[in-house]
Amino acid sequence: QVQLVESGGGMVQPGRSLRLSCAASGFTFSSYGMHWVRQVPGKGLEWVAVISNDGSYKYYADSVKGRFTISRDSSKNTLYLQMSSLRGEDTAVYFCAKTGGTGWYLPWFDPWGQGTLVTVSS
Amino acid sequence: QSVLTQPPSASGTPGQRVTISCSGSSSNIGTNYVYWYQQLPGTAPKLLIYRNNQRPSEVPDRFSGSKSGTSASLAISGLRSEDEADYYCAAWDDSLSGVVFGGGTKLTVL
Repeated sequence: QVQLVESGGGMVQPGRSLRLSCAASGFTFSSYGMHWVRQVPGKGLEWVAVISNDGSYKYYADSVKGRFTISRDSSKNTLYLQMSSLRGEDTAVYFCAKTGGTGWYLPWFDPWGQGTLVTVSS
Repeated sequence: QSVLTQPPSASGTPGQRVTISCSGSSSNIGTNYVYWYQQLPGTAPKLLIYRNNQRPSEVPDRFSGSKSGTSASLAISGLRSEDEADYYCAAWDDSLSGVVFGGGTKLTVL
């Protein structure tokens, strides 16, 4: 079955960097767009970034543009989110999600990973 | 402040029908598909509705979606206690070149 497993979360100081990973299995990874979505505990969902199936195209939320970089390695079936210049407001659970169907950038998130918590604090 | 507007809360009794609205604009709901997600406490969100009104095979037919103009709705009929969750709408926004979510609606089954 399709499975997404995030890792790499933890506590980091403001201004530092962190890289999240999302290991994919159960589907042809190179055929689908992939997203990152975050959620401050107890709050709503916020979309972060999307990458096309071949990695050629990327879109970012304004709140992370210039600080976060989404990438993928199809040889490892893994999605990444490189986060730099981290701020307190980046504290959240970060989910990766596979795009369903056609339209690599569409918010057709199916399935989602279980999430990994990133805490930015001194 | 979310780009898509949802009521923060909704409620109903078992067996009732409830609807959750999602209001947007011409750059998102007005021209793109709407998607709905259910998030049970302590879990990752789950796809409920895609392309405005399509339901994944594993989602009960008690859940239905619709769209008209710049608004969309999620309807849940035959309300059950296990439907108590947070519900989110989402759409692509052409002006922002990004995905926008509603703020979420907490459904309580009384």
